[in-house]
Amino acid sequence: QKEVEQNSGPLSVPEGAIASLNCTYSDRGSQSFFWYRQYSGKSPELIMFIYSNGDKEDGRFTAQLNKASQYVSLLIRDSQPSDSATYLCAVDGAGNMLTFGGGTRLMVKP
Amino acid sequence: GAVVSQHPSWVICKSGTSVKIECRSLDFQATTMFWYRQFPKQSLMLMATSNEGSKATYEQGVEKDKFLINHASLTLSTLTVTSAHPEDSSFYICSARDTYNSPLHFGNGTRLTVT
Repeated sequence: QKEVEQNSGPLSVPEGAIASLNCTYSDRGSQSFFWYRQYSGKSPELIMFIYSNGDKEDGRFTAQLNKASQYVSLLIRDSQPSDSATYLCAVDGAGNMLTFGGGTRLMVKP
Repeated sequence: GAVVSQHPSWVICKSGTSVKIECRSLDFQATTMFWYRQFPKQSLMLMATSNEGSKATYEQGVEKDKFLINHASLTLSTLTVTSAHPEDSSFYICSARDTYNSPLHFGNGTRLTVT
């Protein structure tokens, strides 16, 4: 059973701080990693994807991948109240599908 | 970018009736589409994988006779909730990938309320 684990939170950070969201996965053969943001009552939207070890930056977001440790993280710099949402980590699995973690709820307090 | 369109956005139906939800890939061909269900404050739950031209693959515990999936073309998959009951009320979301290793693109979801 391939698993993706996330701390459910809530993770509470003050406005302007860095939010760090973490995810571990069990399948060493996984090649593609994705972060989605889901606002309450809405469908998930893609924030970032990463395929190679190291960091990938896009605006205020940085994805970090460490395949040896089977660990992927998402950093959100200068967090804003509008970043308050549930963040889903997803990892490539068999059959062209993704395995999702349970999500981490982020609360950014003004 | 790849766009997945889902209709309707919301639907209210009476218990015992059937409801059809459409999922279209607008600018790419999707040989595989995925249907999820999400209850309030819970995680996404994969219901089934829809394969163009063949039968859908259902996850354990999902009734295939209740949730009929048809993937008639490379751009259209439909989910029909048959003989709906109040416990089927949920948020249904379809998704697809345009290429191998690409992100999963989600439709906007359909909120189903069965009265």
